[in-house]
Amino acid sequence: DTAVSQTPKYLVTQMGNDKSIKCEQNLGHDTMYWYKQDSKKFLKIMFSYNNKELIINETVPNRFSPKSPDKAHLNLHINSLELGDSAVYFCASSQPPGVERGYTFGSGTRLTVV
Amino acid sequence: QQQVKQSPQSLIVQKGGISIINCAYENTAFDYFPWYQQFPGKGPALLIAIRPDVSEKKEGRFTISFNKSAKQFSLHIMDSQPGDSATYFCAAGQSDYKLSFGAGTTVTVRA
Repeated sequence: DTAVSQTPKYLVTQMGNDKSIKCEQNLGHDTMYWYKQDSKKFLKIMFSYNNKELIINETVPNRFSPKSPDKAHLNLHINSLELGDSAVYFCASSQPPGVERGYTFGSGTRLTVV
Repeated sequence: QQQVKQSPQSLIVQKGGISIINCAYENTAFDYFPWYQQFPGKGPALLIAIRPDVSEKKEGRFTISFNKSAKQFSLHIMDSQPGDSATYFCAAGQSDYKLSFGAGTTVTVRA
């Protein structure tokens, strides 16, 4: 049973399109994240939700909009895709600080904008 | 601005050798220091973590050494195996949920 699952695994789309990536976790964690991994493998946080509330919103273009319908799901919608958005996007979940804070990552969505 | 600096960028080690990856940080508010292992096409997976009140933590062949005064920590992989070939990330976190990751080290273990 996959702990953090993302769909789709691969996404190839044209510039200007709008796309969504979905994430679900079955670990019972309260906190979920979106991270972006660039071509040099650098991992950078984009957003975090704790129990459906946005708690981290890094300097990300407002073309990126996260949505958390419940604490087990965190989706990422991207408008007007640009070439520079090509990357691997990882969803992750964790317990709150003070408890064991190890992240559990999904297997990633490789987004290619052409 | 990268809050955690990791080196080397890559390393090659013979089977049975020791791999050492170093990380340094500036923010003294960090109180949680995990290491993640990532295989190609997979997400990072938590390997081992340490808190600053401990100077060393060992789990199997993996050991974290932590030097609070120097603001440095390192991962040692003992008796390296070909299956250890992966990218390793150090990270640091504080009470705001966010983990800041190092740039990653690609480890190649030659048989």
